[in-house]
Amino acid sequence: DTGVSQDPRHKITKRGQNVTFRCDPISEHNRLYWYRQTLGQGPEFLTYFQNEAQLEKSRLLSDRFSAERPKGSFSTLEIQRTEQGDSAMYLCASSLDRYEQYFGPGTRLTVT
Amino acid sequence: KQEVTQIPAALSVPEGENLVLNCSFTDSAIYNLQWFRQDPGKGLTSLLLIQSSQREQTSGRLNASLDKSSGRSTLYIAASQPGDSATYLCAVKHQGGSEKLVFGKGTKLTVNP
Repeated sequence: DTGVSQDPRHKITKRGQNVTFRCDPISEHNRLYWYRQTLGQGPEFLTYFQNEAQLEKSRLLSDRFSAERPKGSFSTLEIQRTEQGDSAMYLCASSLDRYEQYFGPGTRLTVT
Repeated sequence: KQEVTQIPAALSVPEGENLVLNCSFTDSAIYNLQWFRQDPGKGLTSLLLIQSSQREQTSGRLNASLDKSSGRSTLYIAASQPGDSATYLCAVKHQGGSEKLVFGKGTKLTVNP
């Protein structure tokens, strides 16, 4: 199965530390998305890449957040100076053009 | 601003029952609508995608309908099974340039044996 993969699956960090998550999309997909989901809510859009270009960013993506997709393949999402409010499930998805988005298993972040 | 609402928030049914989950959205200018399933602590599994020009899509025991003009979609599950227990989410993509999916909060389904 070559679905979307994310690493790590779980991350516990102390407030103020930096964390980085990785997403590997389905190989032929040119679009990659990051979402954040808190308990009892639906996922909320963070950002989107077409190939290596970051084309859309949500206002949720504060200046402590940065995402990259350097070669148009895998992507990383970094959170600097983590806060307790950053605790959430971070979901990555990919698609071929505007078609169906396929999601990975997510990275659960806990900030203590 | 697009808002997506799912009713009911939770539903409990006996095994074998047919059921309908509802999704409504405020802006009818959508490109497509997706239904997802989410098991506790897991990612999302795509169930069905309906393009804005389509009225319904079927996959196995699942049937999703779309009434774009009234801003509604339904997910019909036939002959429910305990393995169908999960949270079901609907999400819409706008017709314009934004690529984001806007999600509802989901309906938590429990199918009792």
